[in-house]
Amino acid sequence: EIVMTQSPATLSVSPGERATLSCRASQSVSSNLAWYQQKPGQAPRLLIYGASTRATGIPARFSGSGSGTEFTLTISSLQPEDFAVYYCQQYYSWYTFGQGTKLEIK
Amino acid sequence: QVQLQESGPGLVKPSETLSLTCIVSGGSISSYYWSWIRQPPGKGLEWIGYMYHSGSTNYNPSLKSRVTISVDTSKNQFSLRLSSVTAADTAVYFCARSVSQVSGYDYWGQGTLVTVSS
Repeated sequence: EIVMTQSPATLSVSPGERATLSCRASQSVSSNLAWYQQKPGQAPRLLIYGASTRATGIPARFSGSGSGTEFTLTISSLQPEDFAVYYCQQYYSWYTFGQGTKLEIK
Repeated sequence: QVQLQESGPGLVKPSETLSLTCIVSGGSISSYYWSWIRQPPGKGLEWIGYMYHSGSTNYNPSLKSRVTISVDTSKNQFSLRLSSVTAADTAVYFCARSVSQVSGYDYWGQGTLVTVSS
């Protein structure tokens, strides 16, 4: 099983600033990686797939990068609605998720 | 707009079988992959399995012996059965759609909490 490790567990950032979230795979997943945003009581929302392609309707302030084992989700200028939990997911071999990064208001 | 809606009992007794249905509206169940994913309270996400509209399936190896996913194309819905449940199976269960085996989940149901308790 491919283990996905996200860091940090909690990230405190002020609105308007940039947030950088990391995701590491225990073995290469090529570019078979997605990012999701989840707010309390809601289902996850697909943000990024193929490591760097924004899903339909996702604002340009969200960007993904990386390949192989190291991936990054960057939110360029945080808006109030961006504070949530973010998950990465690999779909190279079966499907596994990271444990999540909670993005909180500083 | 595609919508997914889970339904089923919110409480299941230990050792019994959990059964959930996901109704797909606003689009056909054909030509996509349909998954079940769960999230224990306060924890992360775990993929349970998927099926293609043709009926072919793939399950999480850790759950494979207890999981069955089936489709009813005439009703545009698919179902999950998880047998011999324990308290560890208590979770919010989501159904979700992906365009292929190698893509993210672009549509999700709202999720339904299933508690395993006597």
